[in-house]
Order: sequence, then C-alpha cells, then structure tokens
Amino acid sequence: SYVLTQPPSVSVAPGQTARITCGGNDIGSKSVHWYQQKPGQAPVLVVDDYSDRPSAIPERFSGSKSENTASLTISRVAAGDEAAYYCQVWDSLTDHVVFGGGTKLTVL
Amino acid sequence: EVQLVESGGGLAKAGGSLRLSCAASGFTFSSYTMNWVRQAPGKGLQWVASISSSSSYIYYADSLKGRLTISRHNARNSVFLQINGLKAEDTAVYYCARDGDPHCSGGSCSFFDSWGRGTLVAVSS
Repeated sequence: SYVLTQPPSVSVAPGQTARITCGGNDIGSKSVHWYQQKPGQAPVLVVDDYSDRPSAIPERFSGSKSENTASLTISRVAAGDEAAYYCQVWDSLTDHVVFGGGTKLTVL
Repeated sequence: EVQLVESGGGLAKAGGSLRLSCAASGFTFSSYTMNWVRQAPGKGLQWVASISSSSSYIYYADSLKGRLTISRHNARNSVFLQINGLKAEDTAVYYCARDGDPHCSGGSCSFFDSWGRGTLVAVSS
C-alpha cells in the first residue's frame, strides 16, 4: 500500500517560516492536499492541489511538490498556527485515500 | 454555510454493531461524494469509506472491508456508516467529510473541504 511519511514534529520561532514535508514514491505525479487540526477540533483543509487555498485560509499557507516530496510552507508563523498537519493523496493502485502520519507544529 | 452533523456514536460492546449518521445542510447534498474518516485517541487520521453522489462508486479501507457498509439517502441529505463486528481498535472519533469537488466521484480528485465535528465510538470488551 502507498505510504506517506511526515516528520513527527517541527518547531519554529514566531515570524519565521515553517516547512512540513510529506514523502511518497512519485508523489509529484499525484494531487496532494493538506489539513490543519487543532486539539479537540475537526481537521480543516488549508491547501488543495487544485485551487491552492480555500478562501478563508491566509496566503501564508502554500503547497509545493517535487518528485518524491510534497511540502506545506507556512510563512510568518504565528502562535495560532500551532497544530497538527496532515498530507493526503489518492492511491490509484488500491483506490484508497491515504493520509500521512501527521506533523505537530510547535511555535516556540 | 455547509454543516455536517454526525450522530450515532457511543459505548458499544465488542462484537456488536453501530450505525453512524451524518446530516448535511447548506449545499446540494446530492451532487457531492461523501466520506468517513476516523481518528483513534492520540493518533492520526484514517480514511474509512467514500460514496459517490449517486452511490455508483463505493470505496472502503482494506483494514475494515467486510465489516462496513456506507450508504446515503439524498432526499434526506444524509450519509450513513454501518460497522459490524466491533473491535476495541474501532474506538475513535468518526468524522463525516464532504468531497471538495462536486464533479468528483471519488478517486484521484478526492479531497475533503468540509468536516463535521465527529462522533465518538468507544468499544468495550
């Protein structure tokens, strides 16, 4: 089955740029989507591979891809960005939605 | 405003069954693929099942296949998830989520732009 690999944690100082990676075989050829989840809340879509960002999401959030790695970049990080972030793709070989294991972003 | 409200969770015995419901409002329900995603306590997100707008396409996670039935009633703006043979590892918050593209019948175009608040299923042995 298709595996998405995320670092368990990323730490960044306020005002700096956070980059969260999502590794997968040939992920550059897939549509990759990103979700933010704060404790006790439902996930929220922050970046999709088609329109980039839902209208309510700040421009500070952006996604990119290379051959085997997708990234979520959050610029000018603020305390309110502290959350878990998950990447997601569709695996066409198994007809399954696949989530990465999640990355906890800590704002120092 | 899109709203998804899950119900039907609670405490259940191992080996038993539960039927979860998700009531949708604020959009044309019959046009969208709907999905269930679960999250065990302290763990990450796990996709469970998807059903296309007309129920023509249905997908299940392999780890749960055989114990699940996803269905929908477009006239009632509702989607359902029946889980049989409950196991302790089914303990999780179950989220209902809408596909982000009304032209998507599941598959490579699938992503989730709206989520409910979830319903907690706790399975006791």
